Amino acid sequence: GENVEQHPSTLSVQEGDSAVIKCTYSDSASNYFPWYKQELGKRPQLIIDIRSNVGEKKDQRIAVTLNKTAKHFSLHITETQPEDSAVYFCAASYNTDKLIFGTGTRLQVFP
Amino acid sequence: DAGITQSPRHKVTETGTPVTLRCHQTENHRYMYWYRQDPGHGLRLIHYSYGVKDTDKGEVSDGYSVSRSKTEDFLLTLESATSSQTSVYFCAINPGLVPDEQFFGPGTRLTVL
Repeated sequence: GENVEQHPSTLSVQEGDSAVIKCTYSDSASNYFPWYKQELGKRPQLIIDIRSNVGEKKDQRIAVTLNKTAKHFSLHITETQPEDSAVYFCAASYNTDKLIFGTGTRLQVFP
Repeated sequence: DAGITQSPRHKVTETGTPVTLRCHQTENHRYMYWYRQDPGHGLRLIHYSYGVKDTDKGEVSDGYSVSRSKTEDFLLTLESATSSQTSVYFCAINPGLVPDEQFFGPGTRLTVL
């Protein structure tokens, strides 16, 4: 079955710097890769996603890149702000209707 | 928030008691999911449903059962709760507008003493 590994588990950056979170997946048949942001005590919120027919997708300060050959994808946050502080989860689809999640990255943005 | 509610939002129970968590959606979505979230493990799929009375197991289904007798409700039952089932439980739906996309409910924090 699918397995998703996520690194790093914690990440601290200065406000205004960039942050990068990386995930690898095992099943080459996976074709959908979402990223979720979860603030303390709240539900995970979908912030961006990418499909296997696209190499990169941007939405304002966040972007996701996908390398199908290496089976890894990354979340990039530029010009980080304190409100970006949260736990971020990557996921990969399998069997078309299920997601396997990474273990999460706690991002702290210091003013 | 995709019209998803969960009840109860918090529950404390004792080992060995049965517990049922409810996920309710108002948008007639076909796909519904139950996850548990634990530190260091992310979100793990317990069971999912692709229609009324159509359910299947996820990666951590032992000790859990589900039922879906109508489109809007997906119930998760712990037949005999154990301390290892202390967790935060999230329900999710796939609206079907975009394949695979899932949106989460507000969660239920369950403590088994």
